[in-house]
Amino acid sequence: DGGITQSPKYLFRKEGQNVTLSCEQNLNHDAMYWYRQDPGQGLRLIYYSQIVNDFQKGDIAEGYSVSREKKESFPLTVTSAQKNPTAFYLCASSSLLFGNTEAFFGQGTRLTVV
Amino acid sequence: DAKTTQPPSMDCAEGRAANLPCNHSTISGNEYVYWYRQIHSQGPQYIIHGLKNNETNEMASLIITEDRKSSTLILPHATLRDTAVYYCIVSPSGSARQLTFGSGTQLTVLP
Repeated sequence: DGGITQSPKYLFRKEGQNVTLSCEQNLNHDAMYWYRQDPGQGLRLIYYSQIVNDFQKGDIAEGYSVSREKKESFPLTVTSAQKNPTAFYLCASSSLLFGNTEAFFGQGTRLTVV
Repeated sequence: DAKTTQPPSMDCAEGRAANLPCNHSTISGNEYVYWYRQIHSQGPQYIIHGLKNNETNEMASLIITEDRKSSTLILPHATLRDTAVYYCIVSPSGSARQLTFGSGTQLTVLP
């Protein structure tokens, strides 16, 4: 089945540790995105990438890093510099072709830092 | 500034139609109206989109007013599984980069 997969679904880390969230897609989409969602809030864009080996900061990139070494993969690292890392993290992908009609989202990773 | 305005919450009886309103009075001529929904602790799911004509698919219908300043998403026969947050978004394309998810409407379908 084609889709976008995030892992793990739940993640616990101690304060001060870096942690990497996985996102893989087999939809052959060029563009991939990372969002953060806090309780009762909408989605905020962290980073996005439209092509391999290139990515752009979103609205709240501080304390996060990404890489895009393969078209299928876009991992997000939450660093110790992120002041409030506990949140629900969502990965998405979409086609950049003209007429694209929808974005596809993963099921999310809930990160809890203790 | 928010580009869309939605009520924060609505209830609907199971089996009845759920009508979710959205105001987008500053929509531009090249912007579509998109609807997504997010079931608790899952990723958002695309429902439907339209430019100016009414649209229908297997999930829902979208009614856009003639002046395009507002729209209504209709779930014709709501089920308990339709309980979710529904987001109305205006965007020139379906690319996730251009989708701005606000707070949406929490729809609760009651048995």
